[in-house]
Amino acid sequence: EVQLVESGGGLVQPGGSRRLSCAASGFTFSTAWMNWVRQAPGKGLEWVGRIKSATDGGTADYAAPVKVRFIISRDDSKKTLYLQMNSLKSEDTAVYYCATGRTRADYWGLGTLVTVSS
Amino acid sequence: QSVLTQPPSVSAAPGQKVTISCSGSNSNIGINYVSWYQQLPGTAPKLLIYDDNKRPSGIPDRFSGSRSGTSATLGITGLQTGDEADYYCGTWDSRLSVPWVFGGGTKLTVL
Repeated sequence: EVQLVESGGGLVQPGGSRRLSCAASGFTFSTAWMNWVRQAPGKGLEWVGRIKSATDGGTADYAAPVKVRFIISRDDSKKTLYLQMNSLKSEDTAVYYCATGRTRADYWGLGTLVTVSS
Repeated sequence: QSVLTQPPSVSAAPGQKVTISCSGSNSNIGINYVSWYQQLPGTAPKLLIYDDNKRPSGIPDRFSGSRSGTSATLGITGLQTGDEADYYCGTWDSRLSVPWVFGGGTKLTVL
């Protein structure tokens, strides 16, 4: 059974940093393309970024609102995906989901809430 | 504002059929597969339909999908109260630098 468990959410002050983790199990993590998708309170889904598998180059892509501020990485030996968020803004407040897939989100985690507020 | 356009809400009675539309453009739905996601209240989204009309294992055949031109449609027959949820369409846009784009979501109410 595929499981994705995010952690690391919480209250962060504007301008601060936070690192989210996504622990994966039940599938071959090393060959999977992994994504972060967020959902602001009461709003729709927004793709944040993705990282390709090492065999496909291991590069990361980002949505315009988070480019330069967010960094996606992965540790295949630990089957874990990361999202380093810097220079956080109030508009980054959202539930952050990790999800597998290249052209669609096959599996989703339960999400972790990040609140950016003073 | 979302790249893909969905109606904010739809409603129907139990046992009835409902359709949810998703409108895009030639750079996304016009040339790429569409997927649909169901988000029950307070839970994470779940893949409902992929590659326009395929259902993952465990998804009942009451759910169906189709794509024509720059639009896609999700159909749900035999509505149940447990189908009350937000539904999102998604695809990727060959013109934008954003691999995944989503619709704004449609709230389904089963009266």
